[in-house]
Amino acid sequence: AQSVTQLDSHVSVSEGTPVLLRCNYSSSYSPSLFWYVQHPNKGLQLLLKYTSAATLVKGINGFEAEFKKSETSFHLTKPSAHMSDAAEYFCVVSETNDYKLSFGAGTTVTVRA
Amino acid sequence: DGGITQSPKYLFRKEGQNVTLSCEQNLNHDAMYWYRQDPGQGLRLIYYSQIVNDFQKGDIAEGYSVSREKKESFPLTVTSAQKNPTAFYLCASSNGLAVTDTQYFGPGTRLTVL
Repeated sequence: AQSVTQLDSHVSVSEGTPVLLRCNYSSSYSPSLFWYVQHPNKGLQLLLKYTSAATLVKGINGFEAEFKKSETSFHLTKPSAHMSDAAEYFCVVSETNDYKLSFGAGTTVTVRA
Repeated sequence: DGGITQSPKYLFRKEGQNVTLSCEQNLNHDAMYWYRQDPGQGLRLIYYSQIVNDFQKGDIAEGYSVSREKKESFPLTVTSAQKNPTAFYLCASSNGLAVTDTQYFGPGTRLTVL
């Protein structure tokens, strides 16, 4: 069985400060992990994905995530938040070579001016 | 522009009525998916289709039906049997079913049952 837990339902940061979104996963196999972003009333956009290559994954818009097998974590970070980063972020896990995605409940990010 | 379109953006339905949500893609993808999103929850898979004229149930298929008569189209019908149909519905597509095949999402349809 596979599942993912996003540890924070809401994160508020000031513009220009770092962003950290925490995600822990459980998987019986070697997982693939993703972060998606969803702006209000929009579809999801892939930020980055880990599929058993380098453990530090760089994505779009300055985001990156590190796969830590020993901690079963895949936290998302960005050094400096921008107002346009205000959105909902989903951590997603999949067994290797499987289309089936298990989504976390989401973390809403608010950016203060 | 390549992408996925969903229509309508907002849909209202009376209890007991069936309603069909449209999903069209021009990405030439073989696989297509329907997800349901409820407030404070992640997405849950309703149905998916690997190729034309083939589709499989996902985790929450009860009360829903689909068809895949054309590669670019994957309409979802929400039937009166669906007990709690009010939700945000997202369609996605990908080249194939492998985990390395990124799923691309449409803008969604918000269905409200009155």
